[in-house]
Parts: sequence; C-alpha cells; structure tokens
Amino acid sequence: DAKTTQPPSMDCAEGRAANLPCNHSTISGNEYVYWYRQIHSQGPQYIIHGLKNNETNEMASLIITEDRKSSTLILPHATLRDTAVYYCIVYQRGSARQLTFGSGTQLTVLP
Amino acid sequence: EPEVTQTPSHQVTQMGQEVILRCVPISNHLYFYWYRQILGQKVEFLVSFYNNEISEKSEIFDDQFSVERPDGSNFTLKIRSTKLEDSAMYFCASRQRGSYNEQFFGPGTRLTVL
Repeated sequence: DAKTTQPPSMDCAEGRAANLPCNHSTISGNEYVYWYRQIHSQGPQYIIHGLKNNETNEMASLIITEDRKSSTLILPHATLRDTAVYYCIVYQRGSARQLTFGSGTQLTVLP
Repeated sequence: EPEVTQTPSHQVTQMGQEVILRCVPISNHLYFYWYRQILGQKVEFLVSFYNNEISEKSEIFDDQFSVERPDGSNFTLKIRSTKLEDSAMYFCASRQRGSYNEQFFGPGTRLTVL
C-alpha cells in the first residue's frame, strides 16, 4: 500500500470547516483513499473513501486532486466531538487485507 | 445500527497468565481482524481471519497468540503467556464480503499486564 503523509496536528474553531490534508504521491491506479478517525483511544471509525472523484457523505467531504497525489478531508462544520486523530489510508478496494495506520493528524476543535 | 462488541472492556492480568479477549463481529460479516495499540503509539495489525483460518498475520502475532471462531458469533484472541509489553488496547474489526472495504471496529479491550 502507498505511503501517506499527514501533518501531526491541526486546530480548528468550532463551527468552522476543518480541512485535513494528506499526501499520497505513490498511489497506484487501483488504490483508493480512505479516511478513518479515532476519538480518544476508542476504536477507529470509518469516515469516507474515494478513488478520483470528490465524495460527500453525512460526515464529511473528500477532495482528491486530479493527479491523485493528494487529498483533503473536509468536515464542514466542526464540533467539539470531532476532536480526534484522523488517518488517511491508501488501500486497494476489494482487498481483504489489513489497514495500515500511520500517525495521523490530531485535530483539536476549539470552542 | 449493528456494531462490533468486545469484552471485557478492561482486563488486568499477571505476567505469564493466559488471557482471552472476546469479540462479537457484525452478524453478516465474514472477515475478522485483530489490531492493537500500545499507549501513545500507532494502531498495529495483528491478524486477519476468513473462512475459519488465518489469512494474514504480522510479526507481532507469534506463537503466544492464537485466534479462534468457536461458534457462529464469537471471535477470540488468546495470549498464552502474557508479557509486560502485551499491555495495550486490543481492537477487533470486521467487514462484509464484497467490494465494500469499510472495516468496523469494536470499542477495544484495554489489557494491563502486571
């Protein structure tokens, strides 16, 4: 699986959009970008995934650059409960293989 | 909404003792996983399980570890002789068969080895 690079930490004001970047310059054509988060040592939680088109669900939006070498997870209106470590993982869809977690980005939403 | 459950939430044991961590995956899921997270460190893969056998295992998953699906609902991780360095959060995860890759994680079991 391709390696990803994320900033170690970010702050965001409550109610504002949180934009979390991820670089995955070695991503291959059949690999998807997945985002998970982990709230204070709870089990990781799936957020969203995408291949090359922008994706949106009830939790977040995912913007993937045209060359697919980077992406941004957007939480449109961050709340205090969104404070968590966010992991960007490149993964081959359809594979039953394990997820490989990096260090992620610690997002702190400030009141 | 269906969820993965794990018991116990916290297990304290003496070094050298055997522990069994239990997980109930989501009922129609067919792929099962154990991960662990030592305090302050990354989430690490231990083992994956499908069709009643291990699919993959990491180098952490040595002879002291074993997994079992004793019935149609439970998925267990056994550590035969615990070491101090086994202290960690242990997460179980499961996923459906098919093209949807989302792994659903349980809340974890905190294992403390004294």
